Amino acid sequence: DAKTTQPPSMDCAEGRAANLPCNHSTISGNEYVYWYRQIHSQGPQYIIHGLKNNETNEMASLIITEDRKSSTLILPHATLRDTAVYYCIVRSPWGGGGGADGLTFGKGTHLIIQP
Amino acid sequence: SAVISQKPSRDICQRGTSLTIQCQVDSQVTMMFWYRQQPGQSLTLIATANQGSEATYESGFVIDKFPISRPNLTFSTLTVSNMSPEDSSIYLCSVEEGQGKLFFGSGTQLSVL
Repeated sequence: DAKTTQPPSMDCAEGRAANLPCNHSTISGNEYVYWYRQIHSQGPQYIIHGLKNNETNEMASLIITEDRKSSTLILPHATLRDTAVYYCIVRSPWGGGGGADGLTFGKGTHLIIQP
Repeated sequence: SAVISQKPSRDICQRGTSLTIQCQVDSQVTMMFWYRQQPGQSLTLIATANQGSEATYESGFVIDKFPISRPNLTFSTLTVSNMSPEDSSIYLCSVEEGQGKLFFGSGTQLSVL
């Protein structure tokens, strides 16, 4: 899996958009960008993923730069419940050996939503 | 998305004993993964479990310490053997659904005294 770089922590005011950056300069052509979050004492939760086009779902938007070397996860209206550690991961959905591999987690960004 | 149930949710164990963690999925899945999350740390993959074959362990994890069973497509167990305080962690199972997305159980909080 390609490595990613994320800021260790960020603050955001409740109701504002939270923009979480991720650098993945060594991403290869068949690797997707995945975002997960882990709320304290829970298992990680899938948020969104994408290859090169911007993506949006009910939870968030994912903006991937044209060169694919970085991306931004956007939580449009952050709430206190969005306080969590957010992980940016790049991998091929088909794994390295023809099958799926477990994700490799970095340290992520601890997002704190302030009231 | 798959619903994943892990048992027990937490346990306190004595040094030298073993604990078996169960992971039940509400649908058939090919691959299941076991992770460990030590206090204040990120997740580390222990092993990948395919039904009908031996589990594949990551560097630093061995079958004698973390034996895994995968008897069918909806169930797996991870045993933490001969426990020491250093094994105190959260243990999580996960499954993969389409497009490389992984879903996780709620984890087992293990404390070893």
